Amino acid sequence: GAVVSQHPSWVICKSGTSVKIECRSLDFQATTMFWYRQFPKQSLMLMATSNEGSKATYEQGVEKDKFLINHASLTLSTLTVTSAHPEDSSFYICSANSGVLGDTQYFGPGTRLTVL
Amino acid sequence: GNSVTQMEGPVTLSEEAFLTINCTYTATGYPSLFWYVQYPGEGLQLLLKATKADDKGSNKGFEATYRKETTSFHLEKGSVQVSDSAVYFCALKPGSARQLTFGSGTQLTVLP
Repeated sequence: GAVVSQHPSWVICKSGTSVKIECRSLDFQATTMFWYRQFPKQSLMLMATSNEGSKATYEQGVEKDKFLINHASLTLSTLTVTSAHPEDSSFYICSANSGVLGDTQYFGPGTRLTVL
Repeated sequence: GNSVTQMEGPVTLSEEAFLTINCTYTATGYPSLFWYVQYPGEGLQLLLKATKADDKGSNKGFEATYRKETTSFHLEKGSVQVSDSAVYFCALKPGSARQLTFGSGTQLTVLP
């Protein structure tokens, strides 16, 4: 149980285009979802926290208009990287938490974004 | 603020060797502590956790004990296998918060 999926697993796009990444909790309702960014051989940096039906809370230094987060249902959150540039290339990871399951976060497999 | 300091890697061991990856933390209150593992090309998986002082988390032969007096949560395994090769992350979650704070990760390579 407690499986989180992400789609796509990898994406290559041209500079200036927008890319949407989906994060789904497959077998539980995620009241909270988190979006992280991971640079090569580095730790995870929390980008934002989203609760179903409300606006996401962004960490300091993360551009809200650049990284649009929508958490429209208890099983789906999306991250849209708008007007992507090569410096946005990274590994994006989501995680989900359900109050019923305690305080453990369950992580998706990640999405590798490469912007040319 | 909250922070996690992890032993720098990479760590290279021979199969069946003893493993220790050090982790110390700074936090207000009484955080929950976690070890996550990331296998090549995959997302993070929860390895073990402890929610209060002196608790021992264990899974797949790995163990870590929540030591409040030394603010540590060192990861240990008595006999590593090649399949344990991965990146290991120590993390904490303050009692009232939902966000995790991660350490920098430690790359472990086990040679046959």
